[in-house]
Amino acid sequence: DAKTTQPNSMESNEEEPVHLPCNHSTISGTDYIHWYRQLPSQGPEYVIHGLTSNVNNRMASLAIAEDRKSSTLILHRATLRDAAVYYCILRETSYDKVIFGPGTSLSVIP
Amino acid sequence: DAGVIQSPRHEVTEMGQEVTLRCKPISGHNSLFWYRQTMMRGLELLIYFNNNVPIDDSGMPEDRFSAKMPNASFSTLKIQPSEPRDSAVYFCASTFTGSLNTEAFFGQGTRLTVV
Repeated sequence: DAKTTQPNSMESNEEEPVHLPCNHSTISGTDYIHWYRQLPSQGPEYVIHGLTSNVNNRMASLAIAEDRKSSTLILHRATLRDAAVYYCILRETSYDKVIFGPGTSLSVIP
Repeated sequence: DAGVIQSPRHEVTEMGQEVTLRCKPISGHNSLFWYRQTMMRGLELLIYFNNNVPIDDSGMPEDRFSAKMPNASFSTLKIQPSEPRDSAVYFCASTFTGSLNTEAFFGQGTRLTVV
């Protein structure tokens, strides 16, 4: 499985944008980049995914580098509810395993 | 749909007892995953089913663990005999393989404590 590297933890002030980085230098051409997050005492939840182009949805934006070796999850205005562990995951379309790394623990400061 | 449903939410058992965790995936999904989460090891994939068939069980820790999926709407993870080191939160997730939107939906988890 292709691996990802994320910072262990990050902090953000409430109502400010947050940029969560992820490195995936060994990504293959068929790997999709997925982001999940896990709020305290809950199961992981899907945030966003993409292949090559930048993606937006109601939760966040995903910016993918041109060489696809890195990506950034963007929360446009952090709220206290966004405090969670964020996981960057690579998934092959032909094999749907979802393998989690340690993720980034995001703290939001009021 | 009520989402992925796991039961029980909490389980406390004595070492050596058999434990059965249950999962009802989202209707229409054809892939199901069992995970274990601990502070030390994070989220570990235990086993992955596709169309009720186990595809990858390389994450199952040892023979004490077994998982079944007798039909598309039900799966079990059994630990026999249980040990204190099995204490963890166990998550079940389901998804539809074959769609471009391969979002996996997770249940609320079962917190297992083996004393």
